[in-house]
Amino acid sequence: AQKVTQAQTEISVVEKEDVTLDCVYETRDTTYYLFWYKQPPSGELVFLIRRNSFDEQNEISGRYSWNFQKSTSSFNFTITASQVVDSAVYFCALSAAYSGAGSYQLTFGKGTKLSVIP
Amino acid sequence: EPEVTQTPSHQVTQMGQEVILRCVPISNHLYFYWYRQILGQKVEFLVSFYNNEISEKSEIFDDQFSVERPDGSNFTLKIRSTKLEDSAMYFCASSTQVSGNTIYFGEGSWLTVV
Repeated sequence: AQKVTQAQTEISVVEKEDVTLDCVYETRDTTYYLFWYKQPPSGELVFLIRRNSFDEQNEISGRYSWNFQKSTSSFNFTITASQVVDSAVYFCALSAAYSGAGSYQLTFGKGTKLSVIP
Repeated sequence: EPEVTQTPSHQVTQMGQEVILRCVPISNHLYFYWYRQILGQKVEFLVSFYNNEISEKSEIFDDQFSVERPDGSNFTLKIRSTKLEDSAMYFCASSTQVSGNTIYFGEGSWLTVV
């Protein structure tokens, strides 16, 4: 069975501070994908990143960076110089890379609510 | 940029009534999904659909739920007899056939059962 744990329920930071959102996962699959989604107050789910379990290189996209460590089953997300527009709930998710059913069901964590205070 | 669209954005219905939530997936996608998020909780998988049939479903997706692709563009979720606990945000999503491809979500449909 797959499981995603986001231990931080809520985080508040002051604008321009850096913040790291933690994600720890469990899976028996040897190949899998990890995702981060952003859910702003308007409610939609916005895709941020997908990472293959084969690729442990860290990734940076603007102010966002992701640290994937297979040894600790973690896929943490850092926002540098946070802005008020970053305020949202952030979900980490996991899917198998190969599915006998042919679909790729996502298992989500409970999310971390980030509040960036001006 | 292509996107998944959902209607209605919000629906209030009385307990016991039938509800149909509609979705237009991204046009070249082949896999379609419904997920649910009860207020303040995590997003949960309901069902996936490929080649005009259900490919996977969760325990939540019981006989009260059904999905259909009535034409070449729409994908619907029907709840036959709504219960109070069906109140949630329902997300439609789609992806291509490629292994591990990203699942793109719509903006969601808030369902409130009173």
